[in-house]
Amino acid sequence: NAGVTQTPKFQVLKTGQSMTLQCAQDMNHEYMSWYRQDPGMGLRLIHYSVGAGITDQGEVPNGYNVSRSTTEDFPLRLLSAAPSQTSVYFCASMGNKGNTIYFGEGSWLTVV
Amino acid sequence: GQNIDQPTEMTATEGAIVQINCTYQTSGFNGLFWYQQHAGEAPTFLSYNVLDGLEEKGRFSSFLSRSKGYSYLLLKELQMKDSASYLCAAMTTDSWGKFQFGAGTQVVVTP
Repeated sequence: NAGVTQTPKFQVLKTGQSMTLQCAQDMNHEYMSWYRQDPGMGLRLIHYSVGAGITDQGEVPNGYNVSRSTTEDFPLRLLSAAPSQTSVYFCASMGNKGNTIYFGEGSWLTVV
Repeated sequence: GQNIDQPTEMTATEGAIVQINCTYQTSGFNGLFWYQQHAGEAPTFLSYNVLDGLEEKGRFSSFLSRSKGYSYLLLKELQMKDSASYLCAAMTTDSWGKFQFGAGTQVVVTP
């Protein structure tokens, strides 16, 4: 049982480049989300989805796009990377009981 | 506004007990979660409280008072491997599944 899988684990980007962080879950969870984690600031919600075809903004959505074409996948797109987007990104999913969040292993992104 | 407050760091001795407090102010409330996160790793689920009272799971217990907007995580019989960051998170009701996380409490266990 793979759980939540996100790739890549590490990435270095130049300012202005675009890229996609991939996230997939095999637990048939309706809810998926993306967080970023910065020192001293905890996890902040970027975008989330409560089902295929439905997405919404979280606390810090600017500079990021998401889509949810299938239940399994929830990719996060950085449109034009900026140094302020240097962070650790976590994808998460939650089942309908709503009592446990499952996190992916994280993606360390550096924008230079 | 929405706010989750927890102490930045706590230090305790191996074998001791540590209590990590968390206060929250959210637009609606649908449950309080505690997560453990070791450096360089993803958070892992510890506990979930939605009703007032104490939930016990082995060496870890979590308490919730909805009227006070207050929770704590109690770690008993501390072990060196318990050195980690502990995250408090509240699920709000303005949208199901929307979480507000605290900044985390770094627990340092000393020999």
